[in-house]
Amino acid sequence: DGGITQSPKYLFRKEGQNVTLSCEQNLNHDAMYWYRQDPGQGLRLIYYSQIVNDFQKGDIAEGYSVSREKKESFPLTVTSAQKNPTAFYLCASSEQVTTGELFFGEGSRLTVL
Amino acid sequence: AQSVAQPEDQVNVAEGNPLTVKCTYSVSGNPYLFWYVQYPNRGLQFLLKYITGDNLVKGSYGFEAEFNKSQTSFHLKKPSALVSDSALYFCAVRDMKSGGGADGLTFGKGTHLIIQP
Repeated sequence: DGGITQSPKYLFRKEGQNVTLSCEQNLNHDAMYWYRQDPGQGLRLIYYSQIVNDFQKGDIAEGYSVSREKKESFPLTVTSAQKNPTAFYLCASSEQVTTGELFFGEGSRLTVL
Repeated sequence: AQSVAQPEDQVNVAEGNPLTVKCTYSVSGNPYLFWYVQYPNRGLQFLLKYITGDNLVKGSYGFEAEFNKSQTSFHLKKPSALVSDSALYFCAVRDMKSGGGADGLTFGKGTHLIIQP
């Protein structure tokens, strides 16, 4: 079945450590996105990519980095510069950048100890 | 800049009654509007979208939404609520600027829908 796979589902990190969240899609979608979800704040856009080897900052990119070396993959690194990294992270993709709906993965919950 | 407002943090409805979850938006160009549903510790699932055409849009699980340009609203509705509809619902907008191009999808803060047996 086609879809988006995020891993790991749960991740614990010590302060000062970088962590990378994986996102893989087999939907052949050009566009991919990373969102952060906090209780009562909805979803906020971290980064998005419309094509391989290109990506743009979203509303809250500080302390995060991404790469898009392959169409299928869009990993997110949460760096030690991110002041409050504990959150639920959601990866998504869409066929059409303009009219297409987003398809979401099941999310990764990051907890900083 | 584009924005979405969901004015109710929580909506309570008795099973079998009609339900409405409210959403208003603000864009500089033409809006593309979406509704999603999220169950606990899961990703978001797409329900329906408005791009152009008929103002009444029908989607998954019996949900529908009405686009009202003059009121800049896109309320989600269902004629008869089920207990299984209890979840977190998000409205989202993409601003299609007159010069072309698009920003990412902007989401509201979500509305908890609770259907009581």
